[in-house]
Amino acid sequence: QKEVEQDPGPLSVPEGAIVSLNCTYSNSAFQYFMWYRQYSRKGPELLMYTYSSGNKEDGRFTAQVDKSSKYISLFIRDSQPSDSATYLCAMSKANAGGTSYGKLTFGQGTILTVHP
Amino acid sequence: DAGVIQSPRHEVTEMGQEVTLRCKPISGHDYLFWYRQTMMRGLELLIYFNNNVPIDDSGMPEDRFSAKMPNASFSTLKIQPSEPRDSAVYFCASSRLALRYQETQYFGPGTRLLVL
Repeated sequence: QKEVEQDPGPLSVPEGAIVSLNCTYSNSAFQYFMWYRQYSRKGPELLMYTYSSGNKEDGRFTAQVDKSSKYISLFIRDSQPSDSATYLCAMSKANAGGTSYGKLTFGQGTILTVHP
Repeated sequence: DAGVIQSPRHEVTEMGQEVTLRCKPISGHDYLFWYRQTMMRGLELLIYFNNNVPIDDSGMPEDRFSAKMPNASFSTLKIQPSEPRDSAVYFCASSRLALRYQETQYFGPGTRLLVL
């Protein structure tokens, strides 16, 4: 069983829709939770970053972490065709001082298409 | 800043040949990561360095793979001999010293490797 599970999709939505992307994980040692966006034939780029549990909002994007359920989500409001990409969740462990080890474990990635 | 630079961008080789992938991290970054991405396995961490020293190479699939970082501005990933199953996109990423609440890995554009 993989440490991080993510539905690869593909997911197709109309422009303006609310998109929900999710990952589950099995290792309770994960403390840092990230979402990366990867456009076709490009490297991943960091989209959202959360430490421990809670919500974080940035413009049209909201990241949620529920450590009790080992479940993280990314919501995209008012989705745009430019949001079409692969979205990867990623996680890392932290030492006793709370500093990330830097070693990321990625989900499989969800392919999202937003059509006009 | 120019970002993470990888070369070559594309490589086609025949089974049994040696392949060398190159990476120049962002100046001032202390960590360097090598990843491999395939449709089947997603994005996998192969090895990472901190201050030019290999920290974790548990993701390196076989002895055919080796990585070096002779200085802070250059790293190589070598496959010898290459096999068709090594065909993938190889990404290099770099980040600064991990700080609490601040952890961003910057990815290069990747090298698309095809082994015939």
